Amino acid sequence: DAKTTQPNSMESNEEEPVHLPCNHSTISGTDYIHWYRQLPSQGPEYVIHGLTSNVNNRMASLAIAEDRKSSTLILHRATLRDAAVYYCILKTTVMDSNYQLIWGAGTKLIIKP
Amino acid sequence: GAGVSQSPRYKVTKRGQDVALRCDPISGHVSLYWYRQALGQGPEFLTYFNYEAQQDKSGLPNDRFSAERPEGSISTLTIQRTEQRDSAMYRCASSPPGTIQETQYFGPGTRLLVL
Repeated sequence: DAKTTQPNSMESNEEEPVHLPCNHSTISGTDYIHWYRQLPSQGPEYVIHGLTSNVNNRMASLAIAEDRKSSTLILHRATLRDAAVYYCILKTTVMDSNYQLIWGAGTKLIIKP
Repeated sequence: GAGVSQSPRYKVTKRGQDVALRCDPISGHVSLYWYRQALGQGPEFLTYFNYEAQQDKSGLPNDRFSAERPEGSISTLTIQRTEQRDSAMYRCASSPPGTIQETQYFGPGTRLLVL
């Protein structure tokens, strides 16, 4: 399975944009890029996913490099409630294949007031 | 609506005992996943159900671990003859029917401590 690489931790100031990078140099053409986050003492929650084009939703934006070997999750205006561990995960689109999400250790995002 | 629920939330057991962890997915969700999460790590896949069929159990660490979902709704993860290394947070997630890129909704987890 293709793997992802993320920085262990990042810091940002409150109310500033945050760019969380993810490298996935071995991504295949059938892999979607998913982002989840896990707030302290809670289960993971879905943030966003995409295949090739940039994606926007109410939580965040996902910018995908043209060669798809990297992506960036963008929080446009971070708040203290965005402090969490952010996971970048690849998930295949191939039907009837392995449904596993392979999770790394993620990036711990620290928001400074 | 109600989210994914898991019970018990905490379980302390002695080494060698069997434990059963329950997951009640969101109503109408056909896919159900079990994960194990160690402190400071991301979730580790254990097994996956589509309705009542266990379609992938490649993540179960050994034959002491088993899971079932007999009626396609509630699922039970059973660990027999527990060992201290089984101590972890066990998380359940469910997904609605739809495309393969369905979102997973996670429950609060069961924290298992084996003494």
